[in-house]
Amino acid sequence: GENVEQHPSTLSVQEGDSAVIKCTYSDSASNYFPWYKQELGKGPQLIIDIRSNVGEKKDQRIAVTLNKTAKHFSLHITETQPEDSAVYFCAASRGEKLTFGTGTRLTIIP
Amino acid sequence: EAGVAQSPRYKIIEKRQSVAFWCNPISGHATLYWYQQILGQGPKLLIQFQNNGVVDDSQLPKDRFSAERLKGVDSTLKIQPAKLEDSAVYLCASSLAVGWNEQFFGPGTRLTVL
Repeated sequence: GENVEQHPSTLSVQEGDSAVIKCTYSDSASNYFPWYKQELGKGPQLIIDIRSNVGEKKDQRIAVTLNKTAKHFSLHITETQPEDSAVYFCAASRGEKLTFGTGTRLTIIP
Repeated sequence: EAGVAQSPRYKIIEKRQSVAFWCNPISGHATLYWYQQILGQGPKLLIQFQNNGVVDDSQLPKDRFSAERLKGVDSTLKIQPAKLEDSAVYLCASSLAVGWNEQFFGPGTRLTVL
């Protein structure tokens, strides 16, 4: 089955700086790669996703890149703000079954 | 539009007791998922429904876990009897249809088994 590895497990950045979270996947047939943000006591919230026919996607301060050959994808957050502090999960799927990474706890330092 | 609703939000039980969780998906969403999220880990799929039929329950521990979605809308997940290792957050998610990737999650139910 699919296996998704996520790094780093924790990340602290100064407010205003950029944050990058990286994931690798094992199943070359995976074609959908969402990123979720989970705040304390809440369910995961979809923040951006990318499909295998696209190399990069951007939504305001958030961008995701995908390298199908290397089987890795990354989340980039620019101009970080205190409200970006949360746990972020990457996931990969072929069809509807999502396999999640282990999460990255992002802390924005004011 | 209203999101995925779950209840209760918190539940504490003793081992060997039974417990049930309820989920109401986003209106019109045909596909419903139950996930287990152990502290410090990503969500793990337990079961997927398409309307009132099971699509995938390969990761559901069927000796103690059961789930149903009788009318194709609400769903319940039951654990009987509970074990200590069942302590986790149980998340419900829904998506529009089969082949529609985007899943929307509810707030989850935090289960503590003592």
